Amino acid sequence: AQSVTQPDIHITVSEGASLELRCNYSYGATPYLFWYVQSPGQGLQLLLKYFSGDTLVQGIKGFEAEFKRSQSSFNLRKPSVHWSDAAEYFCAVGGKGSGNTGKLIFGQGTTLQVKP
Amino acid sequence: AAGVIQSPRHLIKEKRETATLKCYPIPRHDTVYWYQQGPGQDPQFLISFYEKMQSDKGSIPDRFSAQQFSDYHSELNMSSLELGDSALYFCASSTHGYGYTFGSGTRLTVV
Repeated sequence: AQSVTQPDIHITVSEGASLELRCNYSYGATPYLFWYVQSPGQGLQLLLKYFSGDTLVQGIKGFEAEFKRSQSSFNLRKPSVHWSDAAEYFCAVGGKGSGNTGKLIFGQGTTLQVKP
Repeated sequence: AAGVIQSPRHLIKEKRETATLKCYPIPRHDTVYWYQQGPGQDPQFLISFYEKMQSDKGSIPDRFSAQQFSDYHSELNMSSLELGDSALYFCASSTHGYGYTFGSGTRLTVV
């Protein structure tokens, strides 16, 4: 079955500290992997995505993620968190975008709180 | 750059009423997806269309229907609304797996 697990429902870090949000997936084919960020009541903003190639992906706002096929993981990292990073973070997995696949399966989300 | 446009942004309906949500994909994107996000939940896939044909179906209630028109815009029709239908409804578009982009969503409140 296809699924995404974000083991941490809620994470609190101090401003300036490093951050790692975990994501594990189960997917039968070669996955396309995404990280989205969502502020309360707002839309989904794409942070980064992995389709193929270099397994270390750079995204916006200083985020990066590493695809590890052997661990079925796609963890999100940031070396120094800013107060404005407080939000809900979703990991998602999907397949080829046209035809009968392409839907995204989302994890349950991780709420990030940033302490001053 | 053009984005995915959803209308309306907010919608308030009473129970048992009907609602229609609209989605205008990015030009030249051939696939449209609809998702539902309940309060405190992750987005759940409802249905998708590829080249105006339904391509995949998720957990969409029978009370809901959708279609994609010749200009590639899509509409999600929701009838006999229930309180539990209150949610954020997102539309996304892509082409051949690339450029997967979400709209800002429609917030539906059923009272």
